[in-house]
Amino acid sequence: KAGVTQTPRYLIKTRGQQVTLSCSPISGHRSVSWYQQTPGQGLQFLFEYFSETQRNKGNFPGRFSGRQFSNSRSEMNVSTLELGDSALYLCASRGGLRGETQYFGPGTRLLVL
Amino acid sequence: AQSVSQHNHHVILSEAASLELGCNYSYGGTVNLFWYVQYPGQHLQLLLKYFSGDPLVKGIKGFEAEFIKSKFSFNLRKPSVQWSDTAEYFCAVTTGGSYIPTFGRGTSLIVHP
Repeated sequence: KAGVTQTPRYLIKTRGQQVTLSCSPISGHRSVSWYQQTPGQGLQFLFEYFSETQRNKGNFPGRFSGRQFSNSRSEMNVSTLELGDSALYLCASRGGLRGETQYFGPGTRLLVL
Repeated sequence: AQSVSQHNHHVILSEAASLELGCNYSYGGTVNLFWYVQYPGQHLQLLLKYFSGDPLVKGIKGFEAEFIKSKFSFNLRKPSVQWSDTAEYFCAVTTGGSYIPTFGRGTSLIVHP
C-alpha cells in the first residue's frame, strides 16, 4: 500500500497570510491526525478526524482548523500566520490490528517570514 | 494528563557501541508504548510497539525495548549501533481508550563511523 502523502512538502509564507496543507491517508484508513513538530516543543497534537468528523483536538488556537473529506483526505488550514507557526506539520493515519498505530507522512515544512 | 520524558536529549556514540535511550511515562493505568524513529530527511516511522504480553519487544533493525511497569519505563536498546542509526528517536504512549499518542521531546542520536 502507498504510504501517507502530504502536499506541498515545503512552503514559505509571510505573517498574516493563510495556508492550507493537504494529507492523503493510507488506503482504507479512516482516521487522520495532524501534529506540529518544532525543535523546542517536539510533536504536539493538533486534531484528529474520523469519517469527516473532528474527534479530538489539541491545545491550539482557533487559527488552526481542519476538515476531512468523504474519501478520508484531510486538509489543515492556518489563518493569520505568525512567525511561531514555522514548523514541520505532520499528518498521520491510523491503522494496525486494532487501529492503534499512527503511520506518518513526510510532513510539510512551513516557514513564516 | 499523561506525559512522556526522554532524559537523553543528545547522544553521541561510536559505531559498535551499545545504545540505551531512556523513556519514562506518567500514567497509572493501562498503556500502549511506542518508539518511533526519524532519519534525516525522512518521515517518522515505527520502530516497535508494546501492547501486552512479553515485556521485551523486538523491533526493526535490531532494536528492542523493555517495558518495566514498576518503573513506568520503556527504554530502547541496541547492542551495537551503526552509522546508519543516526536519527531522532521518539518515545510515545497512548492510554486508556485513546488512540492519540503523547510524544516525548525526542533524543538525537549521532553515530560516528
